[in-house]
Amino acid sequence: ETAVFQTPNYHVTQVGNEVSFNCKQTLGHDTMYWYKQDSKKLLKIMFSYNNKQLIVNETVPRRFSPQSSDKAHLNLRIKSVEPEDSAVYLCASSWDWGIEQYFGPGTRLTVL
Amino acid sequence: AQKVTQTQTSISVMEKTTVTMDCVYETQDSSYFLFWYKQTASGEIVFLIRQDSYKKENATVGHYSLNFQKPKSSIGLIITATQIEDSAVYFCAMRERQSSNTDKVVFGTGTRLQVSP
Repeated sequence: ETAVFQTPNYHVTQVGNEVSFNCKQTLGHDTMYWYKQDSKKLLKIMFSYNNKQLIVNETVPRRFSPQSSDKAHLNLRIKSVEPEDSAVYLCASSWDWGIEQYFGPGTRLTVL
Repeated sequence: AQKVTQTQTSISVMEKTTVTMDCVYETQDSSYFLFWYKQTASGEIVFLIRQDSYKKENATVGHYSLNFQKPKSSIGLIITATQIEDSAVYFCAMRERQSSNTDKVVFGTGTRLQVSP
């Protein structure tokens, strides 16, 4: 049963465009995350966020930014996409920081 | 620095056998959590099982169990009576509690399991 929802499923765009991905969780969790999974299946955390604090992975380029309206939503904005941004972006949520995460189905981004 | 290593890139087994997937980790912290996740062919990632570093007993959930060897910084995943639907990529992950009361998460590179009839 899906409880972490992501839209869109796929997105194709050109270099330099701005894109935004949405994530919503209905589990009542207070912490949400964004991950990037590349073509080799490597999973890297980009952001961790709850209503108290945003943690940014220091390797994430500045063109990426999370946007949250409430604890059930955490969107991801990419200001000016580059070819290396092509990947699957996965949203997840959990109770508090140190607990197992529940993942959304992912958004596949292709940058031409 | 925090690090999680899965050396097995791919494993093939026959159905109904037992398989063990290896994972070793590095951490400076005395308190941490270890997880195994499964990613199916559709891309869905599902949490399987968790081990808290302070617990001596190996965690077990259904036909998944862990072999936690703290002195060796090792957390192996054991799947007994494998089924075709266990075919997937399995990720080991570690979470440390930081001094700022937040967390840092690192995933391994994954092990692809193929279960054949």
